[in-house]
Amino acid sequence: RKEVEQDPGPFNVPEGATVAFNCTYSNSASQSFFWYRQDCRKEPKLLMSVYSSGNEDGRFTAQLNRASQYISLLIRDSKLSDSATYLCVVNKGGSYIPTFGRGTSLIVHP
Amino acid sequence: DAGVIQSPRHEVTEMGQEVTLRCKPISGHDYLFWYRQTMMRGLELLIYFNNNVPIDDSGMPEDRFSAKMPNASFSTLKIQPSEPRDSAVYFCASSFFEGNQPQHFGDGTRLSIL
Repeated sequence: RKEVEQDPGPFNVPEGATVAFNCTYSNSASQSFFWYRQDCRKEPKLLMSVYSSGNEDGRFTAQLNRASQYISLLIRDSKLSDSATYLCVVNKGGSYIPTFGRGTSLIVHP
Repeated sequence: DAGVIQSPRHEVTEMGQEVTLRCKPISGHDYLFWYRQTMMRGLELLIYFNNNVPIDDSGMPEDRFSAKMPNASFSTLKIQPSEPRDSAVYFCASSFFEGNQPQHFGDGTRLSIL
């Protein structure tokens, strides 16, 4: 099993739709979790951290399920500008060093 | 605030040449990371430093790759000799270590080896 796994997609959704991505991780000792966004030919940029109790930032909601070892990202009211690749990041158990998933591609169309 | 600064932005060179990529981390960050990204393999961690000391270089593909961090504000990744399969985007990132903090990435160097 890979350390961090994501469905590569692409998820193709209309504007205004709600879309959710999951990311599974293999190390139960992992402590920190993030979602990054990467636009084509650009660097990854932090979208949001993922806290144990779940957290929300505008249209974006992140959740952590430790029992099943996955994190999720929910995007409500999708915008054209949300089209990007979404990378989940999990730190290696016992250390701070992060492991990146391969990313999930999102395409929002008019 | 200045972010992570990488140079050059683009590099095109012939096989066998030496390539040097440069990175200036965000001031005050304790950790510096070098990544390589390709379509086939995604984002791969090559090496990381803590307080200028290399901690884990297990991701460095082979001896042709080397990295240094002579001081807190500068790091280099060198490939000698370069090969076409080294063509990729190379990112540098830095972060604090206070609990678990996210990384900040530079714009990357797009490397093409002909």
